[in-house]
Amino acid sequence: SQTIHQWPATLVQPVGSPLSLECTVEGTSNPNLYWYRQAAGRGLQLLFYSVGIGQISSEVPQNLSASRPQDRQFILSSKKLLLSDSGFYLCAWSSPANYGYTFGSGTRLTVV
Amino acid sequence: DAKTTQPPSMDCAEGRAANLPCNHSTISGNEYVYWYRQIHSQGPQYIIHGLKNNETNEMASLIITEDRKSSTLILPHATLRDTAVYYCIATGAGSYQLTFGKGTKLSVIP
Repeated sequence: SQTIHQWPATLVQPVGSPLSLECTVEGTSNPNLYWYRQAAGRGLQLLFYSVGIGQISSEVPQNLSASRPQDRQFILSSKKLLLSDSGFYLCAWSSPANYGYTFGSGTRLTVV
Repeated sequence: DAKTTQPPSMDCAEGRAANLPCNHSTISGNEYVYWYRQIHSQGPQYIIHGLKNNETNEMASLIITEDRKSSTLILPHATLRDTAVYYCIATGAGSYQLTFGKGTKLSVIP
């Protein structure tokens, strides 16, 4: 069966520090991969999606970036975190036919 | 994605059926209706989806009106663990942009 792993579960980082969040999927090949963010009390915002290795589409211009170095690995990065980057970050995957998304357990990031 | 409209909140007594409505009057012919839910501090969970016909799985039933302008998610016997925000999304099968609105906060009351 397919599983999605996302880590760490919680993270506290100072302003200006770098960020790297990793997401991996098991049990499937060539998944579509997504990064979402949910600010406190707000809805889910799509940040990036990827339909293949090295293919990244950005939905919201910001100081975050994403990479997909391997088929089932998706990384969210920042060179310098801002206070406004605080939030709940969720990775998700779907099949190319887009039949339902499966979300990871999320990373709660607090920038201080 | 077609715009969807959901009530911001609903209450349901434990053991009763929870009926969550969704309006999607501008849905196009190739757009599916998806339902997800998000329990506090967790990632969203896929529940069910449908195009025209009513659908049922182990979690819920989805009733889509004949004109497809609205739908209802039915949780047949709500439990306290069903307390969550429920999202209704209308999107094409090939879409890469699943857009979550504000959803309906369902509170199951003992």
